[in-house]
Amino acid sequence: AQSVTQLDSHVSVSEGTPVLLRCNYSSSYSPSLFWYVQHPNKGLQLLLKYTSAATLVKGINGFEAEFKKSETSFHLTKPSAHMSDAAEYFCVVSEGNSGYSTLTFGKGTMLLVSP
Amino acid sequence: GAGVSQSPRYKVTKRGQDVTLRCDPISSHATLYWYQQALGQGPEFLTYFNYEAQPDKSGLPSDRFSAERPEGSISTLTIQRTEQRDSAMYRCASSLGRLAEETQYFGPGTRLLVL
Repeated sequence: AQSVTQLDSHVSVSEGTPVLLRCNYSSSYSPSLFWYVQHPNKGLQLLLKYTSAATLVKGINGFEAEFKKSETSFHLTKPSAHMSDAAEYFCVVSEGNSGYSTLTFGKGTMLLVSP
Repeated sequence: GAGVSQSPRYKVTKRGQDVTLRCDPISSHATLYWYQQALGQGPEFLTYFNYEAQPDKSGLPSDRFSAERPEGSISTLTIQRTEQRDSAMYRCASSLGRLAEETQYFGPGTRLLVL
């Protein structure tokens, strides 16, 4: 069975400072990993995904994540936060061993950005 | 279409009433997923379709929940005899195929409130 733990329910940063959103996963198979972002009243938008190629994955809006198998982690980072980054972020794992993609979401991390 | 759309965006109903939610996926996408997202939680898998087939209903909470996709495009999720615990955001997603690394594209969701 697969699971995802997002270690922080809320993260507060100042504009221009680095962002770190932490995610640990558990999977019996070689997983695919995703980060999605949810802005208020909008759908979930894909930020980036890892699919067993390069372990450092670059996504949209300057975000990136590093897959570390030994630590079972997939933390999301951004060098400099912008006010528009304020949103809820979900770490997601997908195994596909059952013949189709089953996404398991973490509980989400709310990113607050202050001026 | 250009993206996944869902209707209605908001639905308020009284306990015991039936509700039907609609999802219109990206037109080229074979696979469609339904998720339920309770407040403060990540989305949880309900069911999925590959074209019109529905291979997995394991996430549906009870037999009051049913979904269909008769022509392999638009899908509906019906909740019969609604209960207050059914109040949640219902999200639809579509993808080109079923592989674990496929990106799922999400609609804006339908927020259901059962009074």
